[in-house]
Amino acid sequence: EDKVVQSPLSLVVHEGDTVTLNCSYEVTNFRSLLWYKQEKKAPTFLFMLTSSGIEKKSGRLSSILDKKELFSILNITATQTGDSAVYLCATHDRGSTLGRLYFGRGTQLTVWP
Amino acid sequence: NAGVTQTPKFRILKIGQSMTLQCTQDMNHNYMYWYRQDPGMGLKLIYYSVGAGITDKGEVPNGYNVSRSTTEDFPLRLELAAPSQTSVYFCASTNPQGALYEQYFGPGTRLTVT
Repeated sequence: EDKVVQSPLSLVVHEGDTVTLNCSYEVTNFRSLLWYKQEKKAPTFLFMLTSSGIEKKSGRLSSILDKKELFSILNITATQTGDSAVYLCATHDRGSTLGRLYFGRGTQLTVWP
Repeated sequence: NAGVTQTPKFRILKIGQSMTLQCTQDMNHNYMYWYRQDPGMGLKLIYYSVGAGITDKGEVPNGYNVSRSTTEDFPLRLELAAPSQTSVYFCASTNPQGALYEQYFGPGTRLTVT
């Protein structure tokens, strides 16, 4: 049973569109939620969220966490073709193996020119 | 720093063959991990290590073995390759400080077993 569920599984948009990727999770003692971007190779780190309601922002990407409702969203504004990738969400809980992350299946984002 | 390096990048094995996937990190991280990623799926933890000489099983350890003789190296061994082990394998490392658990990933090894 998946601890981390991402939606949608795939998304196709045109350049300039704004997208919202969703991640819901179920962990016993939540510690943090992480977003990664994966472009046909190793995942690269985007954000780590530990506190509810505090937005993390980097350029056109932003993310926020809702610890009450157990979800996070990743927003990308003014999308570019270079944003095409799989976006992975992962959570870490205090009760798990030290440092272990639980990954969702990812959202495949395709941005057409 | 090279970060996390993995070799080989690609490999094709026949059923029943053995091989070792190499992983090295130069960031002096204590924690290291092996994941596999099947098409359309998230990463599944195979084995992890919290320091030299200490390893433990993750979610999908069957068919694999690991060792951790040094802080830098964490090789993954496949003894009798099976088609179900066709996947992309990622090694990762981290050095947790407080609540920071960002994992740094290697470039991956794409393995095909036929």
